[in-house]
Amino acid sequence: EADIYQTPRYLVIGTGKKITLECSQTMGHDKMYWYQQDPGMELHLIHYSYGVNSTEKGDLSSESTVSRIRTEHFPLTLESARPSHTSQYLCASSEPGAQGETQYFGPGTRLLVL
Amino acid sequence: KNEVEQSPQNLTAQEGEFITINCSYSVGISALHWLQQHPGGGIVSLFMLSSGKKKHGRLIATINIQEKHSSLHITASHPRDSAVYICAVRRAGTASKLTFGTGTRLQVTL
Repeated sequence: EADIYQTPRYLVIGTGKKITLECSQTMGHDKMYWYQQDPGMELHLIHYSYGVNSTEKGDLSSESTVSRIRTEHFPLTLESARPSHTSQYLCASSEPGAQGETQYFGPGTRLLVL
Repeated sequence: KNEVEQSPQNLTAQEGEFITINCSYSVGISALHWLQQHPGGGIVSLFMLSSGKKKHGRLIATINIQEKHSSLHITASHPRDSAVYICAVRRAGTASKLTFGTGTRLQVTL
């Protein structure tokens, strides 16, 4: 079982509010990822990090920002939430293995912006 | 057109049936992943393949690199197998980033 956690699991918030979605892993993985998934649609990578103080934007443009001050922690922030940000946000981490990398996913945060 | 296509999009089966989910991709890859997503949203990695075939319990995954195609088989399906099954590929030269299919929603009934 993966030791990767996300809080909150569900969030309903009004337009214009600042929100931070938390993601933590206790596996010591250097690589971490944020994905956005709309209902019935595929996951899209919005941010990734290959280690402390390293962050990159993913394939899908996002107004969110991330930080990686500690290995275990990779929070995602929206400065001013909008209804278009309503989605599920999934955090993952990975480690290299003999046959390639396996990604471990958190339970996700379902965000609804009113 | 998505780089990763899955079929079928939805699948309903009766308990005990043999199930096949297909994945085709259009890019060069270094590995292909099969993932399972339950209604609560959590995702579990089932297989990572770069060639041949892997088996874990009632699940079997195969890949044909030349044909750019992979299949996930479930033998003796059970209602607890009901979930969305997602195919994802790691494009050659991209280290860790994955490209995902839209998933196949499987419902197994009694």
